[in-house]
Amino acid sequence: KQEVTQIPAALSVPEGENLVLNCSFTDSAIYNLQWFRQDPGKGLTSLLLIQSSQREQTSGRLNASLDKSSGRSTLYIAASQPGDSATYLCAVSPIKAAGNKLTFGGGTRVLVKP
Amino acid sequence: DTAVSQTPKYLVTQMGNDKSIKCEQNLGHDTMYWYKQDSKKFLKIMFSYNNKELIINETVPNRFSPKSPDKAHLNLHINSLELGDSAVYFCASSPRPDRPRELFFGSGTQLSVL
Repeated sequence: KQEVTQIPAALSVPEGENLVLNCSFTDSAIYNLQWFRQDPGKGLTSLLLIQSSQREQTSGRLNASLDKSSGRSTLYIAASQPGDSATYLCAVSPIKAAGNKLTFGGGTRVLVKP
Repeated sequence: DTAVSQTPKYLVTQMGNDKSIKCEQNLGHDTMYWYKQDSKKFLKIMFSYNNKELIINETVPNRFSPKSPDKAHLNLHINSLELGDSAVYFCASSPRPDRPRELFFGSGTQLSVL
């Protein structure tokens, strides 16, 4: 059974500092890994999707790496801003499954202080 | 235009009642999902429909019954509500189920059972 863990559970940094969020998964047989952002009282927004054959994806200040063999992904957010404050969730999709059956981690709650 | 919309946003009800949550997507996606986010913020899949056909049915009490009148709608009906049903329920959609792509989430329905 796939388990996804995110460490730390919460993170507080001053504005301008780089953020490093970690995600680990127990079963390396994944199809892809996604990073989501969740704001309080709102739904999830997909930030980056990394296919299992890829090592990283970049979008603006965000960069996500994937090491499938070791079951790890890291989300880097450069030069953090107060608007980056949110909960960040990672989720993996299995190779053999009917449907988009994601397994989510518990999230990292990020606070960027001005 | 909201891509995935669900109503109501908040639902407060008594134990034993029956309630429904509605979801609609205007993205032209074939696949829709219901996820449950518990108090510890873990998101878990409940159901998935592809073109009105059920393709994922996790271990969910049969008090929960999804209904998909067409591929743009997936409603969730809950009978005999219990305290443990209190959670945030998210609807989501994706283009296809067999090749997992990005998920698009609704903003959630916060259900409180008193």
